[in-house]
Parts: sequence; C-alpha cells; structure tokens
Amino acid sequence: EAQVTQNPRYLITVTGKKLTVTCSQNMNHEYMSWYRQDPGLGLRQIYYSMNVEVTDKGDVPEGYKVSRKEKRNFPLILESPSPNQTSLYFCASSLRTSESQSYEQYFGPGTRLTVT
Amino acid sequence: DQQVKQNSPSLSVQEGRISILNCDYTNSMFDYFLWYKKYPAEGPTFLISISSIKDKNEDGRFTVFLNKSAKHLSLHIVPSQPGDSAVYFCAASAPFPYNTDKLIFGTGTRLQVFP
Repeated sequence: EAQVTQNPRYLITVTGKKLTVTCSQNMNHEYMSWYRQDPGLGLRQIYYSMNVEVTDKGDVPEGYKVSRKEKRNFPLILESPSPNQTSLYFCASSLRTSESQSYEQYFGPGTRLTVT
Repeated sequence: DQQVKQNSPSLSVQEGRISILNCDYTNSMFDYFLWYKKYPAEGPTFLISISSIKDKNEDGRFTVFLNKSAKHLSLHIVPSQPGDSAVYFCAASAPFPYNTDKLIFGTGTRLQVFP
C-alpha cells in the first residue's frame, strides 16, 4: 500500500529536550516536505527536500532541522523545542514537479506535538 | 500575507443539497490549484485539482471552478453526503522557476453535512 508514515503520532515533551519525528514514504517520491497546522493559519511549510541531500527552508523553518540521507526518509528534528512549537505536524511527499505541472502531495497521518 | 484565502471557516449544508466552498488567491503566478479534504486524526487527502488553462474540472460529485480574472476558485459538491463532513483546504502552486514544489494552503473550511 502506497503511504506516508510518521512516528510518533502523539508526543508530549518538555522545553529544551531534543526530539525527532520520523517520516517515511514507500512511493519512491523525490519531493518531501514538512508542514505544521495551527488554528486559523492553515498548513505552513517548514522545510522541503527536492531529493537526497537537497533540502531547503519553507515559510517557518526557525527552530527546526531536517535531513535527507535516503530517498524514503525525511526526519524532522527539534533541537531545543519550545512551547510555540506545539502544533500538528504533517509530512508529505510527491513526484518531482515538472516545469509545467505540479503533482498532488500525499500526506502522512500527522504528529500532534505538545511542548510544555 | 495570506496568498490563499478561505474566508468561510465553516459551512453547514443539508444532506442532498449543494455545498459550495470558496477560495481566493492573490498571486497571479499561481497556475495549479488543488483541494484537499481532511478528517480528524488523519492527514489531508487529495480531492481534485485544476490547471489555470481550464475553468472547470469535474470528478463525480465534485467540481472545481476557476475564475482567473477574479482570482477565485470554488469547489461544488453535489449532492452533499454526511461522509463529506470534513475540513477542506484549498492549495495553489506556481510554475517553475517560481515554484519550489511548494503548495500554499488556505486556512480551511469546515463542512458539516447534516441529515
């Protein structure tokens, strides 16, 4: 089954304690991305990756890191989480956008993070 | 600055009637638009899309209309069913080289279909 998986699904942590949210896709997609969803703000892109070893900042990258060492995995790292990073996080993947046509992105089930 | 706007946070429609969800955008470089549907505790799932070279795209009960001059698109669901109750996100993207494979999302509209 084609899917994007995220772990953990729920996480409660304390300020400053490093954490990693994993993301994996089995569709051989080149493009992967992380979003956060907050009330009244919709989905905002944190980081994205066009392919292995190619990553770049999205709209709200502060306080986050990513890596793309393998095509299927794109972990999101919070080195020192703060309460304003309490949010619902989604990983997504898609085929590489062509010059003339975008492809729909496939989303994981989400990770609800609470930082106290 | 919100480039994609969904001004109605919620919509309530009776089963069998038409649901119309609206979306406005400000960036004239956007050339591809998508609608996603999201149930609680799940990730968004792709519903339907439209390229800027078209003004209408239909898939079963779902039709998306695009008015480029007004920078407006709408999603019509006919007939509405209780299973359509979800949050609907509008999203847009721009072509290469303006695009970084990024989708710009609206804030979502919560649709409730009641019997």
